[in-house]
Amino acid sequence: AQSVTQLGSHVSVSEGALVLLRCNYSSSVPPYLFWYVQYPNQGLQLLLKYTTGATLVKGINGFEAEFKKSETSFHLTKPSAHMSDAAEYFCAVRVNYGGSQGNLIFGKGTKLSVKP
Amino acid sequence: GAGVSQSPSNKVTEKGKDVELRCDPISGHTALYWYRQRLGQGLEFLIYFQGNSAPDKSGLPSDRFSAERTGESVSTLTIQRTQQEDSAVYLCASSPTSSGNTIYFGEGSWLTVV
Repeated sequence: AQSVTQLGSHVSVSEGALVLLRCNYSSSVPPYLFWYVQYPNQGLQLLLKYTTGATLVKGINGFEAEFKKSETSFHLTKPSAHMSDAAEYFCAVRVNYGGSQGNLIFGKGTKLSVKP
Repeated sequence: GAGVSQSPSNKVTEKGKDVELRCDPISGHTALYWYRQRLGQGLEFLIYFQGNSAPDKSGLPSDRFSAERTGESVSTLTIQRTQQEDSAVYLCASSPTSSGNTIYFGEGSWLTVV
C-alpha cells in the first residue's frame, strides 16, 4: 500500500526566507510523486511532479523538489518566499496497480503562511 | 473545454434530499476521479473511472454515494438522503491514460447540507 505523510500542518515563514515543506512517502514500487497547491477557495493546481529521470524537479513559481529514494522523501523548497505563496500545499503519490495508473493518495496538507 | 468543468459550483440542500454533482473531464482524458475535501481537511479519494468502468470505488463512504460515467465523458456523483456530514467540496479530476501523466482538477462543487 502507498501512503504520504506531510510533516507540519502549518508552516510560517517571513517574506524572502527559505520555504521547506516536508513530504515522506511509503511505496513498494517506484513512486510517482506530485505536489499540488490550493489557493483559498480554488481547486488544486499542479506545482511539479516526479515520475522517472532527474531526481531534482523544478516546477512553477520557483518551487522545486528532490526525490530521495534512500530517505523516501520528496520535500518541496523555494529559496525566497513571496506573499503570494501563501496557500495550502499537498503532496501526493500515484497508486500503482501493477503498472496501471491509479488515483492519487494525498497527504493531509501543509498550510503555508508568509509574514511581511 | 480547456479544463475540468464541474457543476453546480455551489449547492445548498436540505438534509434528506438527493443531490447530483456533474463533472466534464478534459476532452480525451480516459481516467476520471472524484475526491471529497471537508472543511480544513485533506482530500479523500472516492472513486476512479477508467473509461466508463470503475476499477476502484473503495473510497465511497456509504451506499448513499454512487457515481456513473458515460463513455469517456461526463460523470455524475449522486448522494442520496444527504446528511450534514456530507457537507464538503467535491473535486473531480481527469488524466490521460499513462500513469506518469498529470491529474488535472476542477474547481470543485461546494455542497452544504442544512
